[in-house]
Amino acid sequence: DVKVTQSSRYLVKRTGEKVFLECVQDMDHENMFWYRQDPGLGLRLIYFSYDVKMKEKGDIPEGYSVSREKKERFSLILESASTNQTSMYLCASTLSTEAFFGQGTRLTVV
Amino acid sequence: AQRVTQPEKLLSVFKGAPVELKCNYSYSGSPELFWYVQYSRQRLQLLLRHISRESIKGFTADLNKGETSFHLKKPFAQEEDSAMYYCALSGLRGNFNKFYFGSGTKLNVKP
Repeated sequence: DVKVTQSSRYLVKRTGEKVFLECVQDMDHENMFWYRQDPGLGLRLIYFSYDVKMKEKGDIPEGYSVSREKKERFSLILESASTNQTSMYLCASTLSTEAFFGQGTRLTVV
Repeated sequence: AQRVTQPEKLLSVFKGAPVELKCNYSYSGSPELFWYVQYSRQRLQLLLRHISRESIKGFTADLNKGETSFHLKKPFAQEEDSAMYYCALSGLRGNFNKFYFGSGTKLNVKP
């Protein structure tokens, strides 16, 4: 079974803090994605990575950056958290054309 | 531009009634279409994909290239079908597949 694990289920951070969301997959997948999930908006792609140290902006990259130093780990970084970044964040890795998701991190910025 | 549209935010049906969740897409190429489901407090998971042409949990979806649609159907809804459903499209961009998701439809099956 493919496992995609996000380091936290729930996070509460203060405005202006630098926030790290971690995602690890155990199936040697090359492609990894970060989405945010908001009611009525579905899943919106923030960033994706198709190889170690390779990254591409998705549809809503502003205020975020990513890091992929090892194949199994893809980190999402909120440089300076703001209240409008309160959301559910989903990490996914893909094998060919199927995506496997983590359990999600619900981030609240106060 | 690539886009996946799910026009219904919420769909409520009674148990035993037929259900159809609509999905339309636009894509300049040959995409693969999927339905993903998220049950309460569970992670998003694949329900079915158009290339396998199979029925999963009684659900089917047919890709209609002429109408660019991929509607999800089930003849008799069950209470355990209540969940959030996302239509998704996978398209090749360079050497990798990028995924685009719709805004989701919440299915509520009433007893």
